[in-house]
Amino acid sequence: AQSVTQLGSHVSVSEGALVLLRCNYSSSVPPYLFWYVQYPNQGLQLLLKYTSAATLVKGINGFEAEFKKSETSFHLTKPSAHMSDAAEYFCAVSSPRGEKLTFGTGTRLTIIP
Amino acid sequence: DTAVSQTPKYLVTQMGNDKSIKCEQNLGHDTMYWYKQDSKKFLKIMFSYNNKELIINETVPNRFSPKSPDKAHLNLHINSLELGDSAVYFCASRPTELSSYNEQFFGPGTRLTVL
Repeated sequence: AQSVTQLGSHVSVSEGALVLLRCNYSSSVPPYLFWYVQYPNQGLQLLLKYTSAATLVKGINGFEAEFKKSETSFHLTKPSAHMSDAAEYFCAVSSPRGEKLTFGTGTRLTIIP
Repeated sequence: DTAVSQTPKYLVTQMGNDKSIKCEQNLGHDTMYWYKQDSKKFLKIMFSYNNKELIINETVPNRFSPKSPDKAHLNLHINSLELGDSAVYFCASRPTELSSYNEQFFGPGTRLTVL
């Protein structure tokens, strides 16, 4: 069965600092991985997805993630945090046939002015 | 244009009542989902329908009954509401092609509070 683990339920960074949100996956087959963002009182919005086309994936709002098979990781980064990045971030892995997403427990990102 | 919409946005009710949440998507997707997000933000899939057929049913109590009148709609009916049902319920949909990298599109959520 596929699963993802997000290390750190809360991450705080200063405005302008690097954002690093960690996600490790477990999958018996090559995984398809996703990062979603949830702003307060809103639904989930796709940030980016890994589909095996390229290991470095660029997403919206300046975020990117790198797939590292040797480390079974798909960490999310942004070079310079902005106040508007404050939200809950979810890593997810797709089932082999794509019918189901399994989400991590989420990481709340707080931006310090 | 709203892609995935849910009604109502907020629902406050008493224990023991029966309530329904409605979901509609105008994206032309064939697959729709219901998720439950608890107070700790944990997201868990409940049901999935593909073209009106139930394809995923994740050990959800029988008090929860999804209904899909057509592929653009997926409603969730909950009988005999309990305190533990308080959560945010999200509807989502997915493109027709059964491809592993097709992302899901989420609605804005329905916050259910059971008193």
